[in-house]
Amino acid sequence: AQSVTQLDSQVPVFEEAPVELRCNYSSSVSVYLFWYVQYPNQGLQLLLKYLSGSTLVKGINGFEAEFNKSQTSFHLRKPSVHISDTAEYFCAVVYSGGYQKVTFGTGTKLQVIP
Amino acid sequence: EAQVTQNPRYLITVTGKKLTVTCSQNMNHEYMSWYRQDPGLGLRQIYYSMNVEVTDKGDVPEGYKVSRKEKRNFPLILESPSPNQTSLYFCASSWGTGRVTEAFFGQGTRLTVV
Repeated sequence: AQSVTQLDSQVPVFEEAPVELRCNYSSSVSVYLFWYVQYPNQGLQLLLKYLSGSTLVKGINGFEAEFNKSQTSFHLRKPSVHISDTAEYFCAVVYSGGYQKVTFGTGTKLQVIP
Repeated sequence: EAQVTQNPRYLITVTGKKLTVTCSQNMNHEYMSWYRQDPGLGLRQIYYSMNVEVTDKGDVPEGYKVSRKEKRNFPLILESPSPNQTSLYFCASSWGTGRVTEAFFGQGTRLTVV
């Protein structure tokens, strides 16, 4: 079965430090990759997406991610985090060839410490 | 403004009392789906719809029903709710076949079944 793995359920990081949130997916077929952010008591918002083209994609709020096909990874990075980045982050994959089912990882809670 | 609207945002009900959570989108999207979010499990798909009158089961469909009589609406029905259906529910929409894009999410419905 296709799956998405976010190994870190919680990541504490000091303000202005860099952060990387890891995401790996199971399939080697063509994929479309997304990162969503969920602030407390809110729905999910798109942070960034990879559909095709450059493997380094930039999103909102200074986040970026790199698609690595050989390692089946799509790690999210930010060079300097702010308190306002405290939220839960979900990696998501749409596998090509079928209907548009989105498979989500289990989420990573980013806690930015002042 | 492009949006997915869910109602209600919060709902407390008793076991066995039928309820409906509504979902409406104004983007003319073909594809709509329902997810439930539980701690440590991420988002799991309940049902999806590829277009009007076309629906199918997701990963956790037991105890739920859906209908898609109009393109914009995709209600979730719990005919006999049970406590294990206490969860946070999200409706989402996206374009559909032939065009992979990000999903747009509603604000969520927090359901408690006592």
